[in-house]
Amino acid sequence: ELKVEQNPLFLSMQEGKNYTIYCNYSTTSDRLYWYRQDPGKSLESLFVLLSNGAVKQEGRLMASLDTKARLSTLHITAAVHDLSATYFCAVDIGDNNDMRFGAGTRLTVKP
Amino acid sequence: EPEVTQTPSHQVTQMGQEVILRCVPISNHLYFYWYRQILGQKVEFLVSFYNNEISEKSEIFDDQFSVERPDGSNFTLKIRSTKLEDSAMYFCASKRTSGRAEQFFGPGTRLTVL
Repeated sequence: ELKVEQNPLFLSMQEGKNYTIYCNYSTTSDRLYWYRQDPGKSLESLFVLLSNGAVKQEGRLMASLDTKARLSTLHITAAVHDLSATYFCAVDIGDNNDMRFGAGTRLTVKP
Repeated sequence: EPEVTQTPSHQVTQMGQEVILRCVPISNHLYFYWYRQILGQKVEFLVSFYNNEISEKSEIFDDQFSVERPDGSNFTLKIRSTKLEDSAMYFCASKRTSGRAEQFFGPGTRLTVL
């Protein structure tokens, strides 16, 4: 059974600090996505990673993918309060590209 | 910019009732999906749909659930006899092609079963 594991599940950090969220998955896949979800809202696409070694950056967030290690990271640089949200990684599998999500990391950035 | 839409945004129903959740995928998309998110939990895959048939379904998608594309634009999820544990946010998603194309998610329908 495919497993997608994120850690940490809860992250409380001070503004200005750096931190990394990890996403491990158990199947062969070279398609991994990061989403942001605000409370009661839908999923906002952050990054689409489609090959080994892919690295993408948007503002204070940077995502990378290592398909050999089956690991993706989401790095937060100099966190600000607006980044407070839940972040999900998702792995795209199979011919029909069904997605399997991690449990999510609930990030709280404190002033 | 085209987007996936879902109606209603919130549906309240009594246990045992049937509900139909509606989605309008992006117009030139061919692959359609339903996901469920129980409050505070992760997003779970329910079913994928292509070429007017189910491509894949999860163990959650039992005989109580069905999907349909009744016309060229709508994609529906029917729950035949709702249970309390069906209370969740239901997201529809669509993508244009298979392979390395991104799924686009709708805003979700919050289903509350009383």
